[in-house]
Amino acid sequence: AQKVTQAQTEISVVEKEDVTLDCVYETRDTTYYLFWYKQPPSGELVFLIRRNSFDEQNEISGRYSWNFQKSTSSFNFTITASQVVDSAVYFCAPQTGANNLFFGTGTRLTVIP
Amino acid sequence: EAQVTQNPRYLITVTGKKLTVTCSQNMNHEYMSWYRQDPGLGLRQIYYSMNVEVTDKGDVPEGYKVSRKEKRNFPLILESPSPNQTSLYFCASRGGSGSDIQYFGAGTRLSVL
Repeated sequence: AQKVTQAQTEISVVEKEDVTLDCVYETRDTTYYLFWYKQPPSGELVFLIRRNSFDEQNEISGRYSWNFQKSTSSFNFTITASQVVDSAVYFCAPQTGANNLFFGTGTRLTVIP
Repeated sequence: EAQVTQNPRYLITVTGKKLTVTCSQNMNHEYMSWYRQDPGLGLRQIYYSMNVEVTDKGDVPEGYKVSRKEKRNFPLILESPSPNQTSLYFCASRGGSGSDIQYFGAGTRLSVL
């Protein structure tokens, strides 16, 4: 069985602040992938990043960065210099070949201008 | 353009009136799924299909049916809708590997009165 904990239900930050969204997961599979999706107010689900369970290198993409630590089963997401357009619900989700995406409950981020 | 198309986008119905939400993908994906999204609960998988004529229950299958007669289509059927099925529904598809990105439809907002 898989489980995802996104302990931060809602976060508010002022524009240009940095913010980190936490994700802790549980899975019995030894090979898996971790995903982050963004759901803006318009409602669609937007893929942000995919991470292989064997690759613990941190990743940076523009203002976004991800810190994957297998030892603590965490896959945290940081937005640097937040912008109003970053306001959304963010979901962390593991996936394996046999098992589909298993979503956490999400973190609602509000960026205040 | 890669797409997952679900219809209708909005639906209001009454208790007990059978309805079908259609889902179609144009990426020749093996894997298709249905999720429902409820406030505070994230997205939960209803049913999934790993290929034509192969379907299985997700985490919340009660009250739903699916079929996969063709690779591109995966309709969700509510034989006798009830108010607790009022929710936002997403269809998704991906390739057969656990590394494959899941693509989501735009969502169907269903209200059962």
